[in-house]
Amino acid sequence: QKEVEQNSGPLSVPEGAIASLNCTYSDRGSQSFFWYRQYSGKSPELIMSIYSNGDKEDGRFTAQLNKASQYVSLLIRDSQPSDSATYLCAVSEADSWGKFQFGAGTQVVVTP
Amino acid sequence: GAVVSQHPSWVICKSGTSVKIECRSLDFQATTMFWYRQFPKQSLMLMATSNEGSKATYEQGVEKDKFLINHASLTLSTLTVTSAHPEDSSFYICSASSNSQETQYFGPGTRLLVL
Repeated sequence: QKEVEQNSGPLSVPEGAIASLNCTYSDRGSQSFFWYRQYSGKSPELIMSIYSNGDKEDGRFTAQLNKASQYVSLLIRDSQPSDSATYLCAVSEADSWGKFQFGAGTQVVVTP
Repeated sequence: GAVVSQHPSWVICKSGTSVKIECRSLDFQATTMFWYRQFPKQSLMLMATSNEGSKATYEQGVEKDKFLINHASLTLSTLTVTSAHPEDSSFYICSASSNSQETQYFGPGTRLLVL
């Protein structure tokens, strides 16, 4: 059973602080990892993708990947109220190109 | 780039009728499209995967005769909910990916309410 685990939250973060989201996965063969943001009542939108171990930065977002530990994380710096959403971790399936396993999502609430 | 549209954005229908939802990739060729369903406050549930020109692959527990999927071109996939019942009321979301990039881009979703 392939699984992607995330803390459901809510993760309450003061405005301007760093939000740290974690995700673990079970499929050792997974090669591609993604973070999506989903606002309430809307569909997911892609924030970042990461394929290699280490850090990848894009604006206020940093994704971190450690394949040995089967762990991927997302940092949101200088959190804004507009960052309040559910963040979904997605992991590609090793034996089915293009197909993802999604975590249940972490709800982030940025408080002014 | 990588824009996916869905139509309609919401639909209300009577129990027993069929509803067709369209998913279009507007600026890339979508060799694979995925159909998801999401109930309130729950996670995404993959219903089926469709490759252009092939029959869709349905996830366990999803009735292929009830949820008809067609992916006749590289820019269009359709999901038809046949003989809809109130329990089919949900948020249906498609995503699309190309064969050059293992990334799924989501459409805005279709909210279905069956009375």
